[in-house]
Formats: sequence, C-alpha cells, structure tokens
Amino acid sequence: AIQLTQSPSSLSASVGDRVTITCRASQGISSALAWYQQKPGKAPQLLIHDASSLESGVPSRFSASGSGTDFTLTISSLQPEDFATYYCHHFNSYLSTFGPGTKVDIK
Amino acid sequence: QVQLVQSGAEVKKPGSSVKVSCKASGGTFSRYTISWVRQAPGQGLEWMGRIIPMFGTPNHAQKFQGRVTISADESASTAYMELSSLRFEDTAVYYCARLRVDAFDIWGQGTMVVVSS
Repeated sequence: AIQLTQSPSSLSASVGDRVTITCRASQGISSALAWYQQKPGKAPQLLIHDASSLESGVPSRFSASGSGTDFTLTISSLQPEDFATYYCHHFNSYLSTFGPGTKVDIK
Repeated sequence: QVQLVQSGAEVKKPGSSVKVSCKASGGTFSRYTISWVRQAPGQGLEWMGRIIPMFGTPNHAQKFQGRVTISADESASTAYMELSSLRFEDTAVYYCARLRVDAFDIWGQGTMVVVSS
C-alpha cells in the first residue's frame, strides 16, 4: 500500500510568512494527490485536487505542485485564518491514504 | 449543493457495535463514492473504506477487515458504517465524505463515538 509522509510535522510561523509543506509518496502516484485544511473541531476542507488544482472558493495564496512522489503545498502569505493542520491525501480505485499532517501554528 | 448529514454522537461499551449514518441532501447520491474517515482524539485522519451506492460494492482498509460493514440505501440517499467488536481505541470522530474524482470535496459534520466501560 502507498504510504504518504509529510514534513515538517509542525511549524511555527508569523502572519505574512511564506510557508511550504512537503508530502512524499512511497511510490509514484502521478498527480493523484489532494490537500486539505482542518481546524480544531471541524471537518477537513479540500484545498487542492489533482496535485495542483485550486478548489473553487479557496484563496489564491494557496498553491501546490508536484507529481510522481514529491509534492508541495505553499501558502504565499500566511493569514490568521490559515493556522490549522494540513493533510495530503491519495486515492486510487480502491484505497485511500492520508499523510500524518502538518500543524501550522503561530510563532 | 449536496450536504452530508451524519447521525448523532454515540457512547458504546467495549465489544459492542456502532452504526453511523450519512444522509445526502440537495444532489445526486448514487453515482458518487462515499468514504468513511475517522480521527482519534489528537490524531490524524484514517481512511476506513468506501462504497459507490449505485453499485453497492464496498471495500475497506485492511486494518478493519472483519469489523467494518459499509452499506448504502439509495432510496434513502443514506450511507452507513457499522463497526463491531468496539475497542477503547475506536474512540474517534467518524466522518463520511464524498469523493469527486480523486478528492473528498464534501464532508459530513462528523459523529463522535466514545467507547467506554
């Protein structure tokens, strides 16, 4: 089964910072990767699908790239509402797996 | 706009079973994959399994082999996840989510299941 790892597991940043989170797959998954944001007590929210496609309604400060095994999520200018946990996710025809998450908190 | 509304919180004894429902409203239900994802307190997201209501054939993560039953009632636009032989470590929030191609675009509000003696 495909495994996803994320780095870092947590980071502290300030409003206005540029933040980059990495997700690595244990084998090539083409562009079948999504990113979610989750705030405490809430369901995850889809940010990015197909590795780099911004979900409708998601602010343009979020971007993502990658294919194969290495992927990144970037927040160009961190806003107060962006402090949350971010997960990468892969789904194939039958199985699904999530990365362990990256918690972004206030420095 | 499709919404997924889940059943309410449950408290269960170890060894018992729990069945969580996920009702879709406002759109087409049958042709989308519905997955179940859980999150233990302070932990990450864990995919449990999925079903396409139109076809009715579920599949699930190996970890839950023999303990999880995922089903759907098309006429009620509702998916179900039943977990048996509950253990303390099954305490978690259980989410249903709609798969759109390769990402979960719509999530239920979550159902808290507490396993306690």
